[in-house]
Amino acid sequence: IQMTQSPSSLSASVGDRVTITCRASQSISNNLNWYQHKPGKAPKLLIHTASSLQSGVPSRFSGAGSGTDFTLTISSLQPEDFATYYCQQSYSSLLTFGGGTKVEIK
Amino acid sequence: EVQLVESGGGLVQPGRSLRLSCAASGFTFDDYAMHWVRQAPGRGLEWVSGISWNSNNIVYADSVKGRFTISKDNAKNSLYLQMNSLRTEDTALYYCAKGSGGTLVTNWFDPWGQGTLVTVSS
Repeated sequence: IQMTQSPSSLSASVGDRVTITCRASQSISNNLNWYQHKPGKAPKLLIHTASSLQSGVPSRFSGAGSGTDFTLTISSLQPEDFATYYCQQSYSSLLTFGGGTKVEIK
Repeated sequence: EVQLVESGGGLVQPGRSLRLSCAASGFTFDDYAMHWVRQAPGRGLEWVSGISWNSNNIVYADSVKGRFTISKDNAKNSLYLQMNSLRTEDTALYYCAKGSGGTLVTNWFDPWGQGTLVTVSS
C-alpha cells in the first residue's frame, strides 16, 4: 500500500493552523497513524487509528479521515512543533510510511 | 518507563554482515510485537521488519527480504536484526520500535529507541 503525503514541506508562523494530508493507494479503513520526528530524536507517536490522540500529546493535534484520505491538523502551531511529520498505514502487515512533511518556520 | 536501546551499528563493507540488538525494559516484552524501522540519510522513514509476540509471524519489507532476519528472545528482553549481504543502500539509522499489540495486525509504533547507525561503504 502506497502512502502519499502533501505537501512535502510547508512554511508557517507560530499560531497558524496547519493541515497535512495523507492519501492511501487503497482503502485502509481507519488504520492510519501519525508521527512527529525532530532531528536527533526518536520519532514520536501523535495519533493512532486515524483520530485517537496518544496519551500526553497536546490537544492542538488532531487527526481525521477514513478509507483513503486522512488529515493531521495542528490548530495553533507552537515553536516546538517545527518538525517532520509522517503518516503510516497499519491495514496491511507490510507497513508503510508516507514520504513526510517538513514543517518549517516562516 | 518503557526503554528501547539499540546497539551493534557501525561501518561495514558491502557484502558483509552485521547484527543489531535492541534491549527492552519497562514493559512485558513477551506480550508485544516488535519492529525495525530505518531512515537513510536525507530520506524518510522506512519500515524494515516486524515480529509477533511469540515469533510465530514475521514480515519483511521487499527491500530486505532474503537478506535480513529478525528475531526476538523473550527470555533476554531483546530484539535482533541479522543483516547479511549488505548494500550501500542499507546505510541508515536503524530504530527499534514496540508494536501496539502482540500480533502484526493494525500495529503502530510506540515508543521508539534512539537508533543505531549502520554505514555500508568500501
